[in-house]
Amino acid sequence: AQSVTQLGSHVSVSEGALVLLRCNYSSSVPPYLFWYVQYPNQGLQLLLKYTSAATLVKGINGFEAEFKKSETSFHLTKPSAHMSDAAEYFCAVRPSGAGSYQLTFGKGTKLSVIP
Amino acid sequence: NAGVTQTPKFRVLKTGQSMTLLCAQDMNHEYMYWYRQDPGMGLRLIHYSVGEGTTAKGEVPDGYNVSRLKKQNFLLGLESAAPSQTSVYFCASTPGLAGGRSQETQYFGPGTRLLVL
Repeated sequence: AQSVTQLGSHVSVSEGALVLLRCNYSSSVPPYLFWYVQYPNQGLQLLLKYTSAATLVKGINGFEAEFKKSETSFHLTKPSAHMSDAAEYFCAVRPSGAGSYQLTFGKGTKLSVIP
Repeated sequence: NAGVTQTPKFRVLKTGQSMTLLCAQDMNHEYMYWYRQDPGMGLRLIHYSVGEGTTAKGEVPDGYNVSRLKKQNFLLGLESAAPSQTSVYFCASTPGLAGGRSQETQYFGPGTRLLVL
């Protein structure tokens, strides 16, 4: 079984400040990890994914995340927040390898960017 | 490509009524999923399908049924709607092994807002 915990249901940052959204996972087998973003009244869109290649993963819109096995973490970062980054972010996990590609999502973190 | 589309966008039901939500994808994806999204709960998987004619239960399947008679369509049915089924429903699809580097990216539809009174 696998699960993800997102610390902080709501994070506020100033425009231009560092964005850090936290995700910790629990998995009985090596995991694949994902970050999705949801803009208001829209579906989810993939930001980036870790599938056992490089542990530092770069995604769209300047976001990146680092897989740390020792800390069971996959935190999402962006050096400088932009107003357009305001959205809800979801961390997700699935067991590595082939299968149904079924994901288990965290409860989400809503990011507000203050001008 | 239209991607993943969902019909209807919004619906109001009375308790006990039935309805079907339609999900369609034009990307020839093998896998399709139905989720519900509730405030503070994230997305929870209702049912999923790994190919035409096959379906399986997810985390919260009770009160829902699904069918995948055609590869491009995945239907979610509520036989007797209850207020607890008030939610936003999202459909998603995944290419599978034929998708190469995108094989496991889930592509989401815009959602259906359902209110059960």
